Amino acid sequence: AQSVTQPDIHITVSEGASLELRCNYSYGATPYLFWYVQSPGQGLQLLLKYFSGDTLVQGIKGFEAEFKRSQSSFNLRKPSVHWSDAAEYFCAVGAGATNAGKSTFGDGTTLTVKP
Amino acid sequence: DTEVTQTPKHLVMGMTNKKSLKCEQHMGHRAMYWYKQKAKKPPELMFVYSYEKLSINESVPSRFSPECPNSSLLNLHLHALQPEDSALYLCASSQENSPQHFGDGTRLSIL
Repeated sequence: AQSVTQPDIHITVSEGASLELRCNYSYGATPYLFWYVQSPGQGLQLLLKYFSGDTLVQGIKGFEAEFKRSQSSFNLRKPSVHWSDAAEYFCAVGAGATNAGKSTFGDGTTLTVKP
Repeated sequence: DTEVTQTPKHLVMGMTNKKSLKCEQHMGHRAMYWYKQKAKKPPELMFVYSYEKLSINESVPSRFSPECPNSSLLNLHLHALQPEDSALYLCASSQENSPQHFGDGTRLSIL
């Protein structure tokens, strides 16, 4: 069975500082990996996805993530955080080509941005 | 603006009421989903419809009844809910091999 672990429940960074959110997955084959962001009172917005190819993927809002098969990781990064990035971040893994829509989510990381 | 529209945004109902949540998408996606999300938790999958047929029911109590009238619409009928059913209910849609697009959800409170 697939699973996702987000080791950091809560992260606080200063505005303008760099950010890395960790995600580790467990899946027997090549996974389909996603990062979503959820602002209070809203649904989940897709930041980026990895299906195959280049292991460094670029997303919206200046985010990027790197797939490392050897470490079973898909960490999310941003070079300079803005106050509007404060939100809940979820990493998710899909079950494969024919079932990518059914994703397993990590427990989420809450990002607080200090002025 | 979200491409998946959910109505109503907020719903308060008593335990004996019957109500419905609605979800609509016009992206041509053939898979649609209902999730339940409690505060500070990830979404929990409830139902999946694929090509308008129920393909996954994650052992959801029968007081939740999904319906997919056509490829653009997804309903969730609610009856005799319990206080612990209070949550944010999210609808999503996707194409095969594509990630899900989520609506902004319906915030449900059971009195």
